[in-house]
Amino acid sequence: SQTIHQWPATLVQPVGSPLSLECTVEGTSNPNLYWYRQAAGRGLQLLFYSVGIGQISSEVPQNLSASRPQDRQFILSSKKLLLSDSGFYLCAWSTGGNSPLHFGNGTRLTVT
Amino acid sequence: QKEVEQNSGPLSVPEGAIASLNCTYSDRGSQSFFWYRQYSGKSPELIMSIYSNGDKEDGRFTAQLNKASQYVSLLIRDSQPSDSATYLCALVGNAGNMLTFGGGTRLMVKP
Repeated sequence: SQTIHQWPATLVQPVGSPLSLECTVEGTSNPNLYWYRQAAGRGLQLLFYSVGIGQISSEVPQNLSASRPQDRQFILSSKKLLLSDSGFYLCAWSTGGNSPLHFGNGTRLTVT
Repeated sequence: QKEVEQNSGPLSVPEGAIASLNCTYSDRGSQSFFWYRQYSGKSPELIMSIYSNGDKEDGRFTAQLNKASQYVSLLIRDSQPSDSATYLCALVGNAGNMLTFGGGTRLMVKP
């Protein structure tokens, strides 16, 4: 069966510091991978998605970037965090087409 | 008009009652529809998928899809306090490959 791992679970970082969140999927090949952010009490905001190694699509302009160095690895990064980057970051995967997304457990990021 | 609309709630129902959660969408070509449950502080969990008009039942959950009227609903029978969560409606639009989420409805089941 497929599993998705996301870490760390919680993170507190000062403004201006870098960020690296990692997500890996097991049990499937060539998944579509996604990064979402959810601000407190708000809906899901799609940040990035990838349909293959090295293929990244950005949905919103911001100081975040994503990379997919391996088929089942998706990384979210920032060089300098802003207070507005605080939120709940969710990695998800799907097989594409009409299939649903499956989410990791998320990372709660607080920028102080 | 938002692509996927849900009443944000909270929807409050007594324990044992039927909770009815509704979702309307604008893309008439939408093909696949999903309901997710999100407990406070947790990630969304897929609870129902529905692809064709009609009802689909899974335990206490029933998903209903009406493509002509462009709505999908989720019924929760014999609601329990543990059902208290935010329920997200999502769909794959006509272009395919991407899910669009509604803002979610917060359900509160009171003992």
